[in-house]
Amino acid sequence: DIQMTQSPSSLSAAVGDRVIITCRASQGISDYLAWFQQKPGKAPKSLIYAASRLQSGVPSKFSGSGSGTDFTLTITSLQPEDFATYYCQQYNSYPYTFGQGTNLEI
Amino acid sequence: EVQLVQSGAEVKKPGESLKISCQESGDNSPTFWIGWVRQMPGKGLEWLGIIYPGDSTTRYSPSFQGQVTISADESIRTVYLQWGSLKASDTGVYYCARRPDVGVDVWGQGTTVTVSS
Repeated sequence: DIQMTQSPSSLSAAVGDRVIITCRASQGISDYLAWFQQKPGKAPKSLIYAASRLQSGVPSKFSGSGSGTDFTLTITSLQPEDFATYYCQQYNSYPYTFGQGTNLEI
Repeated sequence: EVQLVQSGAEVKKPGESLKISCQESGDNSPTFWIGWVRQMPGKGLEWLGIIYPGDSTTRYSPSFQGQVTISADESIRTVYLQWGSLKASDTGVYYCARRPDVGVDVWGQGTTVTVSS
């Protein structure tokens, strides 16, 4: 199985900040990477697919980059509604696997 | 707007069986792969398996192979997740997710399963 490792596991930031979350795959996955946001008690929300493409309706403050084994999710101008847990996930090969999550908190 | 509507919360005893569902509603889109994701209390997300309702081709994650059964009824655009004998460790929230092969475009609202004696 491909292991996905996110860093950091938790991150403290302030409203207005820009943050970067990284995700590393244990082997190359081309750009078959997605990012999700999850708030407590809610279903995940899809943000990005194909490493850098925004899902429909997702604001441009979210951006993704990377290819191969190293990827980043950047969130600019943090607002209160952005504080959540973020997961990366590879879909290059089955079984699909998630990172362990990054808890973004104030 | 496409939605995945999941069945309601369940409370079961160890050893009991259970089948939960996920129905696609909205536009008459083509058939896509649908997957099931588990989230244990306070933990992260894990894929259980995926199914293509068009021909019921199914793939299970190794950790869940033999532990659950995924099935589908394409005629009613519904996918199922089934347990033959529940354990306390099956407690969690289960989400269905459409198009996991391209990064998931739609999520179900989640079904909470509680297994307790």
